[in-house]
Amino acid sequence: KNEVEQSPQNLTAQEGEFITINCSYSVGISALHWLQQHPGGGIVSLFMLSSGKKKHGRLIATINIQEKHSSLHITASHPRDSAVYICAVSSYGNKLVFGAGTILRVKS
Amino acid sequence: NAGVTQTPKFRILKIGQSMTLQCTQDMNHNYMYWYRQDPGMGLKLIYYSVGAGITDKGEVPNGYNVSRSTTEDFPLRLELAAPSQTSVYFCASSYSTERPNEKLFFGSGTQLSVL
Repeated sequence: KNEVEQSPQNLTAQEGEFITINCSYSVGISALHWLQQHPGGGIVSLFMLSSGKKKHGRLIATINIQEKHSSLHITASHPRDSAVYICAVSSYGNKLVFGAGTILRVKS
Repeated sequence: NAGVTQTPKFRILKIGQSMTLQCTQDMNHNYMYWYRQDPGMGLKLIYYSVGAGITDKGEVPNGYNVSRSTTEDFPLRLELAAPSQTSVYFCASSYSTERPNEKLFFGSGTQLSVL
């Protein structure tokens, strides 16, 4: 079992839908990161969380440390949100363990 | 700021050849990382560095070497390329992965094929 599990692996949504991507982890962590990888391959950091909730534009990230679970929500989804969303956890020593990613496709 | 600059973007190697993937950052970050990304898999850490002169192995270091002579540069060396090293390689840097609001910055990636 991987230390970081994401679900779903693939997600197709219609433009405007509310989207949720989940991340569960099995190790103690000091921080959790959400990353976005576009079809061109570039990876961008979206959020870093150690507790609670963060919001940036239409993106919301939450984390429940006790349940070892985080969610990334996208409100009013748009085709330009189509990308791979990656969860990563920092457990110790500033090293990250990555999930396999969720492939999101938003259709217009 | 240029951020993290990674070269080359694409490379094809023959089995047994060697090459160096270059990575440089201009953000004065302490931490630098090399990852590889295989289809359907999460990024795997090859090597990382917590500062100039200090490097350590990650999950998949075999077949690779690194050096960190300056804060800015963190090259990755493949000495005897093997088909198993066909992958997309990413360099990344951060001040810290644990400080609040710190982010990771990634290079644009290197698509490497070993034939």
